[in-house]
Amino acid sequence: GNSVTQMEGPVTLSEEAFLTINCTYTATGYPSLFWYVQYPGEGLQLLLKATKADDKGSNKGFEATYRKETTSFHLEKGSVQVSDSAVYFCALRGGGFKTIFGAGTRLFVKA
Amino acid sequence: DADVTQTPRNRITKTGKRIMLECSQTKGHDRMYWYRQDPGLGLRLIYYSFDVKDINKGEISDGYSVSRQAQAKFSLSLESAIPNQTALYFCATSDLETGNGYTFGSGTRLTVV
Repeated sequence: GNSVTQMEGPVTLSEEAFLTINCTYTATGYPSLFWYVQYPGEGLQLLLKATKADDKGSNKGFEATYRKETTSFHLEKGSVQVSDSAVYFCALRGGGFKTIFGAGTRLFVKA
Repeated sequence: DADVTQTPRNRITKTGKRIMLECSQTKGHDRMYWYRQDPGLGLRLIYYSFDVKDINKGEISDGYSVSRQAQAKFSLSLESAIPNQTALYFCATSDLETGNGYTFGSGTRLTVV
């Protein structure tokens, strides 16, 4: 079946550092891939998405590229801010309805 | 108003009690979901509904039931709460397109003592 594996956290960075959170997936067919962000005390919000191979999703300075050859969708940001501290979830939505979520990666950004 | 509203936001209940968590949405989406979030386990699907007459079990439905009262309303019940149902519960909605993401509510933090 479909699955998503993302790097364990927490990830702790200083402000303005470069961020990478790794995500790999297993799926049949051609799923859509997503990153969601969860700020403290809130629900998940869609951060970015990519619906086919080689697509790059981007939002708020975050980027991720759908790599079919490596089955990956790593999240990157060139310069993180304290306000980026949150939990980030990689997710996959295949044929039909079902979305599979990774376990989440907590990011702490220090001033 | 939020697109997806969950009530209550926080609830403490005793073992054996029946409790209902409610979810309403203004997105006009047909599909609604209940997830449970536990630390280190990500989100696990409890139940989902494609429309008012369609209810399906997710991966962890034991001990839970749901009701889809209208297109916009989807409630989750714990018939006899137990401590290991202590968790953060999220309602979400989606449309039919696999390329579109989900819209989540703010969650209900449930503690069973």
